[in-house]
Amino acid sequence: AQSVTQLGSHVSVSEGALVLLRCNYSSSVPPYLFWYVQYPNQGLQLLLKYTSAATLVKGINGFEAEFKKSETSFHLTKPSAHMSDAAEYFCAVRTYNQGGKLIFGQGTELSVKP
Amino acid sequence: KAGVTQTPRYLIKTRGQQVTLSCSPISGHRSVSWYQQTPGQGLQFLFEYFSETQRNKGNFPGRFSGRQFSNSRSEMNVSTLELGDSALYLCASSGTGDNSPLHFGNGTRLTVT
Repeated sequence: AQSVTQLGSHVSVSEGALVLLRCNYSSSVPPYLFWYVQYPNQGLQLLLKYTSAATLVKGINGFEAEFKKSETSFHLTKPSAHMSDAAEYFCAVRTYNQGGKLIFGQGTELSVKP
Repeated sequence: KAGVTQTPRYLIKTRGQQVTLSCSPISGHRSVSWYQQTPGQGLQFLFEYFSETQRNKGNFPGRFSGRQFSNSRSEMNVSTLELGDSALYLCASSGTGDNSPLHFGNGTRLTVT
């Protein structure tokens, strides 16, 4: 069975500091991996997706993630945090032929201090 | 291109009542999925419709049902509401292919009193 684990339900960084949000997945077959962001009272917005074309994936708003098969990880990073990055971030996995069924992690709330 | 539209944004219902939520997908998307989001359980998959047929189903009781129309618009229905059904219900649409991401609407906030 697939599962996603996000380490740390809350992460706090200073403005300008590195952002690192951790995601580990469990899947018996090569997965499709996604990172989404959710701002208060809004739906989920796609940040980036991994679909086996390249292990380092660049997304919107300066975020990127690296797929590491040996570590079953897909951590999200951003070199320099901005106040507007404060939100909740979700990692999700989907395997072959699962259509619209994503398995989400529990989410990580990112706070950015001035 | 217009995004995924969900109506209404907010609903307050009483235990025992039923409710219908509506979702209009992005033009051209034939897959519509529904998710329930709660603080305790996080994001949980309810079901997915593709070309008017249910293609995937999550682990929710039969009180939760859905349907999709020929124009790809979808509705979900919850009957005999319970307090625990209070949640944000999110609809998402996607194109074909497993690498097609889901595009989410802003959700319907359901409160059951």
